[in-house]
Formats: sequence, structure tokens, C-alpha cells
Amino acid sequence: QVQLVQSGSELKKPGASVKVSCKASGYTFTSYTMNWVRQAPGQGLEWMGWINTNTGSPTYAQGFTGRFVFSLDTSVSTAYLQISSLKAEDTAVYYCAREAYGGAKGYWGQGTLVTVSS
Amino acid sequence: QSALTQPASVSGSPGQSITISCTGTSSDVGGYNYVSWYQQHPGKAPKLMIYDVNKRPSGVSNRFSGSKSGNTASLTISGLQAEDEADYYCSSYTSSSTYVFGTGTKVTVL
Repeated sequence: QVQLVQSGSELKKPGASVKVSCKASGYTFTSYTMNWVRQAPGQGLEWMGWINTNTGSPTYAQGFTGRFVFSLDTSVSTAYLQISSLKAEDTAVYYCAREAYGGAKGYWGQGTLVTVSS
Repeated sequence: QSALTQPASVSGSPGQSITISCTGTSSDVGGYNYVSWYQQHPGKAPKLMIYDVNKRPSGVSNRFSGSKSGNTASLTISGLQAEDEADYYCSSYTSSSTYVFGTGTKVTVL
């Protein structure tokens, strides 16, 4: 069965960087794009963008350019989200989500809470 | 890309039907049949309930149905049950080859 397992919670200081991992299993990793979704505390879902797991080409949504980087290690079927120069407003749960039917996100990781606080 | 507009809350009694709207523009909801709906219980990851406007993934109850008219998509939950109490989000593909989520709707079962 398809599983996406994300890395654990992170507590970071402002200005630091964080790298969240999303390890996929149960399917051919390079056959489906991987999305990243942010959810700030008490807020809604925001689509951050996706990465083509076949070519490694990322697409970033408005507001997620510059400090946000999507990457892959296909040898271990893992997608990564790196955020640099962290700010308090980056505090959120970050989800990876695989497409299932066309672009619909049918499989989700459990989420990774990133807390930015001094 | 602005978030799609959903009502903040919708409520209904057990057994009733409720409908959640999702309003966008001709550049997203109105332009493509790629609207999906997600259910999210507190502290949990979202779950796909509807894709391509009105298709249900296997395992999703047929009490959930989707439709679209112009720039507005809708999710209807019939035979409302206590377990349906959750947040619901719509999402659409856009003319920028990106996706956008709705503002979210809290469903309360009275």
C-alpha cells in the first residue's frame, strides 16, 4: 500500500534552516509528482508547489519562491522540503501529498510540525 | 493566486443534507474540471473525498457528491452523520499550471 512517512517535528530559531523529508513506499516513486502543502496553526491549507519526481523539476506557488526548495533522492524514494532564513510566520505543519487521480492529492504524509521561535 | 472562497461554517442535523460551495474564477474552477474536495479531522492529514468535480475515490461513501456550475463548485453531504464533522477544503487546477485551495469550511453536526 502507498505510504508517505515524514520526518519528525522541528524546533528552530529565526534565521536557521530546516529540511523536512517525505519517504515514499508502496509504488514507483518516479511515476507520480509530489506536492507540498502548508497549514499554519488554526489556518487553512496552502498549496506550496510540486516536484516532478521523474525530472526533478520543481514548480513553486506564489509566496513560496526564494527560501523554499524542493528536492529528491530517488535512490531512497524520498522528497525533501528545505526552508531557509526561517521566520516566525513559517511555523506550520508541512505535508507532502502524492497525486492519485490526475492532480488530486490522494495520498498524504502525516505532516511535520515546524516551529520557529527564539 | 487567491484562495477559492468557501463559507466559514455549515451545520446540519443528523440525516440531513448540506452543501458547501467553492467559488473561484474562470481561470480556475470555471476553466477546468479539476476540482477536488478534502476532509480534515482535527490533528489529522486531509483525505481526498472527491476528484475531477464529481468522482469518488474507492472507499469514500456515496453520501458525498460533487458538482460544478460556472465558477462555483459544490460538495453535498447527504444523510449527515456525526463522523462527517470536520473541516472541508476544495481545490482547483489553475491557468498558471498550479493548484489553489479554498478557504475551508467547518462542518458541524448538530
